[in-house]
Amino acid sequence: ETGVTQSPTHLIKTRGQQVTLRCSSQSGHNTVSWYQQALGQGPQFIFQYYREEENGRGNFPPRFSGLQFPNYSSELNVNALELDDSALYLCASSFVLGGEQYFGPGTRLTVT
Amino acid sequence: SQQGEEDPQALSIQEGENATMNCSYKTSINNLQWYRQNSGRGLVHLILIRSNEREKHSGRLRVTLDTSKKSSSLLITASRAADTASYFCATDAGGNNRLAFGKGNQVVVIP
Repeated sequence: ETGVTQSPTHLIKTRGQQVTLRCSSQSGHNTVSWYQQALGQGPQFIFQYYREEENGRGNFPPRFSGLQFPNYSSELNVNALELDDSALYLCASSFVLGGEQYFGPGTRLTVT
Repeated sequence: SQQGEEDPQALSIQEGENATMNCSYKTSINNLQWYRQNSGRGLVHLILIRSNEREKHSGRLRVTLDTSKKSSSLLITASRAADTASYFCATDAGGNNRLAFGKGNQVVVIP
C-alpha cells in the first residue's frame, strides 16, 4: 500500500465524451504527476503539479488538463476522448520535488 | 517520450536463479529508477541510483549505472515466484520526478 488512491478503478467512455479521473495523495505530498500507460508499453509522463500549479508537461495535447487541490487530491481531465486514449492512467505523488514517488493503483479507461 | 529501452523484453527463469535486465537511455540524467508492476496495476519503486553512483544494492536487488554508455542493469538474485512481474527503468533528467519510462521487462519466475 502506497497511501495513494485513485478513482474510479475502471471506466468506459464513448469517443468524443469527457472524463475526469481522481487521485488522492498522502497528506503532505505537494507534488503529483500523471502518467498514461498503453497496453504493453511503459508509462508516459502527462504533466506534473507542484503546490497546485502546473510544473511541467509531456507531449500531450491541451485536451489533457489537470488540477491539484489543497487537500492533496488531484484530477486529470480529458476532453474529446479518442480511441487511443484507452489506457491505464497512473498518478504518483511525493513530499518534495525529486523525492521518492508513490504510485496509485491506476484507473483503466476504455474508449469505445 | 519513451527513453529507456530494456533488454531482454521477456525473461522466464526457474525459482532460485538470478535475473538480469538491462536498460539503455539517450540523454543525460540526474538519476535512474527501477520499478515493478504486477498485473498492469500500480508501480512499486524498487531502487534509485544517482548519476554519480555506479552501483547500489537493496536486499536481493543490485543496480549498476554506466553513464558513459548510458546504460543500467538490474539484477535480482535468488528469484522467487513472487518476483513475477514487469520491471521498468525510468530516467529522471532534471531530478524533478518527471520520469521517462522504458517499455518494460516481463519476468516470469517458475516455481
